[in-house]
Amino acid sequence: EAQVTQNPRYLITVTGKKLTVTCSQNMNHEYMSWYRQDPGLGLRQIYYSMNVEVTDKGDVPEGYKVSRKEKRNFPLILESPSPNQTSLYFCASSLGPTNNEQFFGPGTRLTVL
Amino acid sequence: EDQVTQSPEALRLQEGESSSLNCSYTVSGLRGLFWYRQDPGKGPEFLFTLYSAGEEKEKERLKATLTKKESFLHITAPKPEDSATYLCAVSNSGYALNFGKGTSLLVTP
Repeated sequence: EAQVTQNPRYLITVTGKKLTVTCSQNMNHEYMSWYRQDPGLGLRQIYYSMNVEVTDKGDVPEGYKVSRKEKRNFPLILESPSPNQTSLYFCASSLGPTNNEQFFGPGTRLTVL
Repeated sequence: EDQVTQSPEALRLQEGESSSLNCSYTVSGLRGLFWYRQDPGKGPEFLFTLYSAGEEKEKERLKATLTKKESFLHITAPKPEDSATYLCAVSNSGYALNFGKGTSLLVTP
């Protein structure tokens, strides 16, 4: 089954404790992206990757890191999480810029205390 | 800076009562306008991509249209299962996506 998976689905952590949210897709997509969704603010893009080893900042990259060492995986790293990073996070993938039908993962609900 | 404004924020319809959702946008060089549906607690699900003014696409009870300044998502004879949040997004590069805040649609029996 074609899908985007994220882990963990739910996470409660404390300020400053480094964490990684994993994202994996099995569709051989070149493009992957991370979003956060907050009430009243909608979906905002954090980082995106056009292919292996190629990433770029979205609208809200501060406090986040990404890497794309393999085509299927695109982890989101929070080196020192803060309470304002409490949010619902989505990973997405698509074939590429000329076919931007993005497939979204199920979401990761992160709470930073 | 790209901007996407969706209206109304919320819409309540009776089953069978047709209506339209609006997405107004400003973007420097539109590479695509996208409509997604999002159910509570789930990731957005792709509906349509529109590339140029005058383009229309249909899927079941939904029809999306595009002008140079806005897009409409027309819902014909909606059913309760059409209840969801509908998201509009634009891209000027093919990579970065700028989403609107969405329209929450409730269809009552």
